[in-house]
Amino acid sequence: SQQGEEDPQALSIQEGENATMNCSYKTSINNLQWYRQNSGRGLVHLILIRSNEREKHSGRLRVTLDTSKKSSSLLITASRAADTASYFCATSKGGSEKLVFGKGTKLTVNP
Amino acid sequence: NAGVMQNPRHLVRRRGQEARLRCSPMKGHSHVYWYRQLPEEGLKFMVYLQKENIIDESGMPKERFSAEFPKEGPSILRIQQVVRGDSAAYFCASSQSFEQLYGYTFGSGTRLTVV
Repeated sequence: SQQGEEDPQALSIQEGENATMNCSYKTSINNLQWYRQNSGRGLVHLILIRSNEREKHSGRLRVTLDTSKKSSSLLITASRAADTASYFCATSKGGSEKLVFGKGTKLTVNP
Repeated sequence: NAGVMQNPRHLVRRRGQEARLRCSPMKGHSHVYWYRQLPEEGLKFMVYLQKENIIDESGMPKERFSAEFPKEGPSILRIQQVVRGDSAAYFCASSQSFEQLYGYTFGSGTRLTVV
């Protein structure tokens, strides 16, 4: 199975701290994407990193990809209460291929 | 730009009834994907469609489930003779390009409850 797996399953931090979530997958990929889901809502695309990229930044987000270890990490710096959500990684073999999601990390940022 | 529109947001059906879920992709997007999410789980792929064509239905249960994306109008996910195990959130996503350059845009989902 190509399914990504995030860890930790749940993470609770204080506002202002950094949050790091990890994702591992099993097969070769074309790209890896991170999504955020607020409770009871749809998913919001955060960032896409291609298999030939090692690191990408977007605002307070930093994503790394290590294809040799088949793993990725998402770092949220200077977290805010509004960052409280579930975060999912999803892998794709590219083109029209479907995304394969992990089970997610539930992040709670306490004010 | 209204984003991906799904309706209804919540749907309650009795066992044995039919459920119809609708999805209008973002303007300019011609690729539509349906995913199902069980409580505390990630999303599981069901089907990928383009206008009037099913491209990949490898995630669709063999019976009772069907999907279409007609030339005019929204994409429809249809579940016949629903059972309690069909209770889940169903999400539709659309993308602009074959190459997934920008990731998907997801709708807010339809939460189906079978009683």
